[in-house]
Amino acid sequence: ETGVTQTPRHLVMGMTNKKSLKCEQHLGHNAMYWYKQSAKKPLELMFVYSLEERVENNSVPSRFSPECPNSSHLFLHLHTLQPEDSALYLCASSQTDRGHYEQYFGPGTRLTVT
Amino acid sequence: EDQVTQSPEALRLQEGESSSLNCSYTVSGLRGLFWYRQDPGKGPEFLFTLYSAGEEKEKERLKATLTKKESFLHITAPKPEDSATYLCAVQAGGATNKLIFGTGTLLAVQP
Repeated sequence: ETGVTQTPRHLVMGMTNKKSLKCEQHLGHNAMYWYKQSAKKPLELMFVYSLEERVENNSVPSRFSPECPNSSHLFLHLHTLQPEDSALYLCASSQTDRGHYEQYFGPGTRLTVT
Repeated sequence: EDQVTQSPEALRLQEGESSSLNCSYTVSGLRGLFWYRQDPGKGPEFLFTLYSAGEEKEKERLKATLTKKESFLHITAPKPEDSATYLCAVQAGGATNKLIFGTGTLLAVQP
């Protein structure tokens, strides 16, 4: 595997379900991110982990719960979601200490909440 | 407030017809401006980083330029495979690694 991988690629869940999204980066980076992408809207940063510590949380509802067990893995735990949470969820990673700030994205998980 | 505006929202070109996409930004202390390409149902693919006004980067038919207020992505003699959404993002000065994205330009190149 190379780059940033995400599983599952597609997920349909009811409003009462609990599910988790998984992200793995194979780039040796030290920071990982969760974004939400909705139609006609800019990418919305949800969570930032740097050196496995959460450094930013842009006031995301508590029904989204991130977990970063190590620098290569990132999870997004989902529970009691709303239909408006249907979107493409993207994971990204970057290296923060070399003066280059570009982020590399995974293919995303298309989430549909019914 | 830091902000990124991309124009046009959508652009349709004939194969070989060169054009430019615009990314205007207001940010406190620009650390970097980034261009990404996104195909339908996929994650954004990194293209370029520009750090200071006057800088230019090229890759195949794409050339990115930067001024103090905006960036352009010039597409020379585009091909149908260049069809995608092109996203612009900026990183402001400060301790976080937050990127602020525009809404993108949807480019369609007709054969």
